[in-house]
Amino acid sequence: DTAVSQTPKYLVTQMGNDKSIKCEQNLGHDTMYWYKQDSKKFLKIMFSYNNKELIINETVPNRFSPKSPDKAHLNLHINSLELGDSAVYFCASSQGRGLAGGRNEQFFGPGTRLTVL
Amino acid sequence: KQEVTQIPAALSVPEGENLVLNCSFTDSAIYNLQWFRQDPGKGLTSLLLIQSSQREQTSGRLNASLDKSSGRSTLYIAASQPGDSATYLCAVPGGSSYKLIFGSGTRLLVRP
Repeated sequence: DTAVSQTPKYLVTQMGNDKSIKCEQNLGHDTMYWYKQDSKKFLKIMFSYNNKELIINETVPNRFSPKSPDKAHLNLHINSLELGDSAVYFCASSQGRGLAGGRNEQFFGPGTRLTVL
Repeated sequence: KQEVTQIPAALSVPEGENLVLNCSFTDSAIYNLQWFRQDPGKGLTSLLLIQSSQREQTSGRLNASLDKSSGRSTLYIAASQPGDSATYLCAVPGGSSYKLIFGSGTRLLVRP
């Protein structure tokens, strides 16, 4: 009965490869997010989708492409992986996009540790 | 531009102590503030969300306070236990957006 799940948990790959990370939430939430946690443990937003619509797109290289087939899933595809992409990627979800009433309270998945060699 | 700072970066206390973790933010126009816990190699667990209209929020041995005007929040942990050892992160929505802006965290070690 995991709320927010991600696969894979670990991903080790060579530079230049293309890889995908999958995220699913069973909370019935409308909004999902991808965050990146770098080697200094600093967390930064990358993307957010609300009901399959992209609503936040931070300054992220266009090698990163999120895809939301439905509101319970948000996948992250990364092309031409670079050494600097090594990080832990977290998926999160919230009830909605509004701030009132705590609808933006976010719940996180366990993370995917990506290592690019 | 909202910035979130957490002090101290690391804290080591003996079991049983009460302790306070600090979080400050530069833009006081926030809707709410969320405290998280992150265990090594694990995801983030939401501990408390405190609304801008609230001054305090409690969950078990945890108590979060919020002073919007001074741009500060504290997380009070009563009677600390070794199982409380983790990194504690605070986060606020960035302006009118609901993307979270995170502090760099406080790494807590509770010694048996």
